[in-house]
Amino acid sequence: QSVLTQPPSVSEAPRQRVTISCSGSNSNIGNNAVNWYQQLPGKPPKLLIYYDDLLPSGVSDRFSGSKSGTSASLAISGLQSEDEADYYCAAWDDSLNGRVFGGGTKLTVL
Amino acid sequence: QVQLQESGPGLVKPSGTVSLSCAVSGGSIRSSNWWSWVRQPPGKGLEWIGEFYHSGSTNYNPSLKSRVTISVDKSKNQFSLRLSSVTAADTAVYYCARVFGEIAVAGYFDYWGQGTLVTVSS
Repeated sequence: QSVLTQPPSVSEAPRQRVTISCSGSNSNIGNNAVNWYQQLPGKPPKLLIYYDDLLPSGVSDRFSGSKSGTSASLAISGLQSEDEADYYCAAWDDSLNGRVFGGGTKLTVL
Repeated sequence: QVQLQESGPGLVKPSGTVSLSCAVSGGSIRSSNWWSWVRQPPGKGLEWIGEFYHSGSTNYNPSLKSRVTISVDKSKNQFSLRLSSVTAADTAVYYCARVFGEIAVAGYFDYWGQGTLVTVSS
């Protein structure tokens, strides 16, 4: 059972928009930044969003992040087949004094 | 461009110890960043193991803390993981990663190694 809760899977058609939710608590998302990672099959995770809503250099602006209270979301617009991957949210947890991940969400582009 | 490369045995016997190293190139272990280990059991999600800062500070996952040691060899610009008393549940791909920034709470993983599969089996 992960500290951060994500839906196991989401699916949407090409060129559409999808959102992935990440739910936590005051000890993690409610008090610290949320970061998102994309993991393509057989590859290491890649930083997608940091500090809730910032894009690293080189990441497509089709990706965006937001946070409200103890929940965060990742949105992907203009879906492409190459976006099929697992997506993870992560944050620092003050109670555990360590990093926590969501369980991951598998995105399928129909 | 920072690069990380894990190395170590791919097969460990139950009750034994996983010992892995992470060689860092393109950047210094002495930089203002944390250095971390993350693992991923086959077909499952990511689990943070722990991290260290070159000053000697460490943070460990409470669920693994009693079995984990992360150490550094500054002369070789590499850091290591030791996980003791392993069982089949410790079978996973182990990644080393850099955590950007000197403030652990505000850090995020910006560089990752390719990962190495460690199987615990007799």
